[in-house]
Amino acid sequence: GEDVEQSLFLSVREGDSSVINCTYTDSSSTYLYWYKQEPGAGLQLLTYIFSNMDMKQDQRLTVLLNKKDKHLSLRIADTQTGDSAIYFCAESFTGGGNKLTFGTGTQLKVEL
Amino acid sequence: NAGVTQTPKFQVLKTGQSMTLQCAQDMNHNSMYWYRQDPGMGLRLIYYSASEGTTDKGEVPNGYNVSRLNKREFSLRLESAAPSQTSVYFCASSEPTDGYTFGSGTRLTVV
Repeated sequence: GEDVEQSLFLSVREGDSSVINCTYTDSSSTYLYWYKQEPGAGLQLLTYIFSNMDMKQDQRLTVLLNKKDKHLSLRIADTQTGDSAIYFCAESFTGGGNKLTFGTGTQLKVEL
Repeated sequence: NAGVTQTPKFQVLKTGQSMTLQCAQDMNHNSMYWYRQDPGMGLRLIYYSASEGTTDKGEVPNGYNVSRLNKREFSLRLESAAPSQTSVYFCASSEPTDGYTFGSGTRLTVV
């Protein structure tokens, strides 16, 4: 099956930029997503990018997609303590019920 | 409020007991899903329903059954719970242009 990989942990200081990376293996994915999960809660959609785009910016969030290397990243500018959470990347495919394949998640810790 | 509602939020079962996790969405989405989340493994798809009247196996379907009762509701049943099914279960619904909306999860412990 498809694999989506992420590093497990990232620690940054408040005010710095965070970059969370993701690699995927299936080049036929159509959309790539970033979700945020706060403790004890479900997953919240942060942003997504269509597979024919290279970059998408949404306020403090910048998504970069390198299709050649199958690499997706999420940059959070001016990281705040409220950004501490687990971040999941996910890819979807056309057909078959729009299933998502999730990465293992990256635990972001923001320190003062 | 629009969204995905899961019940119950917490449950403790003894090995061999059965239970049904309920899920309902009010966004008129066609597709619904059940995932389980385990530490270090991300979310794994158990079953999904691409549209009312259809269900299909996901990555880890063994030990589970599902019912798409109508467009709004998609239930997950454990017929004979095992400790390996201790997990957090998430229901979600989607349309391709909307992305996924997740419920808040059911934390299940099987002892």
